[in-house]
Amino acid sequence: DAEITQSPRHKITETGRQVTLACHQTWNHNNMFWYRQDLGHGLRLIHYSYGVHDTNKGEVSDGYSVSRSNTEDLPLTLESAASSQTSVYFCASSESLMGTQYFGPGTRLTVL
Amino acid sequence: KQEVTQIPAALSVPEGENLVLNCSFTDSAIYNLQWFRQDPGKGLTSLLLIQSSQREQTSGRLNASLDKSSGRSTLYIAASQPGDSATYLCAVKQTGANNLFFGTGTRLTVIP
Repeated sequence: DAEITQSPRHKITETGRQVTLACHQTWNHNNMFWYRQDLGHGLRLIHYSYGVHDTNKGEVSDGYSVSRSNTEDLPLTLESAASSQTSVYFCASSESLMGTQYFGPGTRLTVL
Repeated sequence: KQEVTQIPAALSVPEGENLVLNCSFTDSAIYNLQWFRQDPGKGLTSLLLIQSSQREQTSGRLNASLDKSSGRSTLYIAASQPGDSATYLCAVKQTGANNLFFGTGTRLTVIP
C-alpha cells in the first residue's frame, strides 16, 4: 500500500545545530507539504512543493528550508536549530491541490 | 487572514450518544473544508472532505455539513464508541491560498 513516512520519529538536538527531517511518500503525489503543530495553535504550513525542483514558503518558513530532487522525498532542514523550533512536524502529500492531504506520523523535535 | 475556531476544546460523552463537533471560519471564500482525526502520537487521518459547492458528506456513522455563508461546519458522530476517542481537527482550503488553515481541534473522549 502507498504510504507516507517520516524519520526520525523523535529527535533531540542542541541550539545552533543543523537538523534534517526526512519525508518519503510512495503515492507518487506531486504536491508535498511540511507543517508544524504546537499547543494552542492549529497546524501551520512551513514549506510546500508542487513538483520536482519546486519549493515555496509557507506561513512560518523562517529558519527552515526544503529541497525537492525527486517526486518521493521532501526533506526539511533547520539551518541553525532554535528552542522556538521545538515542535511536532508533519509531512503531507496530495494528488491535487484541492484534494485530500495525506499525513505522515510526525516527528517530535526537541531543541535544547 | 483566515481564522478557524473549534469549540469546545474538549468533550466527554457516554458510549452510544450522538454528538456534534463545531467548526467556524472567518472567511467564506473557501474551496473546501476537511475533517481530520488525530490519535495521540499519530498523524492525521482524513475523515471527510466537503467541496464549497456541497452541503454535506457522509461516511458511515459520520456526517459533515457545511454552511459556507455563515462560516460554519459541523461533524456529527452517531452512536459514539470508545474507539472514536481522539482529537478532531477541521481545516479549510481558502480560495487563492496554498495551504490548509487548521483549527486547534476538539479532544473527544467516549466513556464506556
